[in-house]
Amino acid sequence: GAGVSQSPSNKVTEKGKDVELRCDPISGHTALYWYRQSLGQGLEFLIYFQGNSAPDKSGLPSDRFSAERTGGSVSTLTIQRTQQEDSAVYLCASSIYRAGTEAFFGQGTRLTVV
Amino acid sequence: AQTVTQSQPEMSVQEAETVTLSCTYDTSESDYYLFWYKQPPSRQMILVIRQEAYKQQNATENRFSVNFQKAAKSFSLKISDSQLGDAAMYFCAYRSRKPRANDMRFGAGTRLTVKP
Repeated sequence: GAGVSQSPSNKVTEKGKDVELRCDPISGHTALYWYRQSLGQGLEFLIYFQGNSAPDKSGLPSDRFSAERTGGSVSTLTIQRTQQEDSAVYLCASSIYRAGTEAFFGQGTRLTVV
Repeated sequence: AQTVTQSQPEMSVQEAETVTLSCTYDTSESDYYLFWYKQPPSRQMILVIRQEAYKQQNATENRFSVNFQKAAKSFSLKISDSQLGDAAMYFCAYRSRKPRANDMRFGAGTRLTVKP
């Protein structure tokens, strides 16, 4: 595709349920990032994938959060036993792994936990 | 770890006037990249301008320019001739040039309002 694609655009879930958020990066982009953006706030780094290297998971807020990237392309962010504080916009970005290149963002998934 | 600070949660400018958004960062590295991103209500993050730390010349892109002060670790964005379409959240970001750099760091953002 032409850009980073995220699905679903919006997700409403009940507290305690598990959710999966999907990100399709730009073809050929080896670096992939997940960020969380709470209402009106900045971007909180969650996890970073680069090629076949071990991902940097240092930003994941709890063990309820996990992410995988299959075949170096599509990534799935999973939140287990969702809590109301998990409500936020989850942004995915990808980039070529070359110094100075910017990250290209998807339009995000707005997650609402009720 | 590198941190990025935007000390102005909100800014306002009159249409056609000039506004400057502030950004400071903390790093022990000497070579890196800095970015300004714009996020309109659509949520789509758009790159506005980029600066390479090893270049002394300030980057410019049409009405957008930066004032990069490496020693002060400051990277402000100037928007000239502000337009209604400039209204958005603006984020300053830092990216290491080191091999295996593991993420981009963002500031908390500045919400810019443009008054007609």
